[in-house]
Amino acid sequence: GAGVSQSPSNKVTEKGKDVELRCDPISGHTALYWYRQSLGQGLEFLIYFQGNSAPDKSGLPSDRFSAERTGGSVSTLTIQRTQQEDSAVYLCASSLAPGQGDRWGGYTFGSGTRLTVV
Amino acid sequence: SQQGEEDPQALSIQEGENATMNCSYKTSINNLQWYRQNSGRGLVHLILIRSNEREKHSGRLRVTLDTSKKSSSLLITASRAADTASYFCATRETGANNLFFGTGTRLTVIP
Repeated sequence: GAGVSQSPSNKVTEKGKDVELRCDPISGHTALYWYRQSLGQGLEFLIYFQGNSAPDKSGLPSDRFSAERTGGSVSTLTIQRTQQEDSAVYLCASSLAPGQGDRWGGYTFGSGTRLTVV
Repeated sequence: SQQGEEDPQALSIQEGENATMNCSYKTSINNLQWYRQNSGRGLVHLILIRSNEREKHSGRLRVTLDTSKKSSSLLITASRAADTASYFCATRETGANNLFFGTGTRLTVIP
């Protein structure tokens, strides 16, 4: 697609329920990243995919968080047993893989999913 | 963590004035990037400066990088009301694949 697409754009869920957030990156971008941003805060790195593998999961805040990527394209971030502190905007970004010389540069972000846990 | 810090946290200027935002970081980097965010949603990439560059221009944007001080600045000249947004610096550590973002500067340009 022309840009990074995230769905849903907004999600309200009850505490304790599971949620799935979807990210569809730019075609041809092999790297995919998940960040979250709490109200008025900076971006917190969650996880990075290169192709279908996740070499860096260090940012996942707890074992309730998991992510997968299939076919080197769409990624799903799953939060199990949601808590109120999980409320945030979850941002996905994609980029050309690092190491592709000067073509590697910035990320293209989606518009995010605003998750509210009530 | 390599997370950068922007300074100031908030900046309010009159339209037509220049806006300067600063970013400091902690370790060796491959490049530093600046992003803009409107209304708390997706970020837009503005400019990238590599560790062997000292200054870069793009339209009304001017970015400097001082690797000895581990700092960067973003200058927006002749600001417009439409420049109102949050601005974030992001760094890619040498050998790393992901970016670490700073805490952001909230810029308000008053018409």
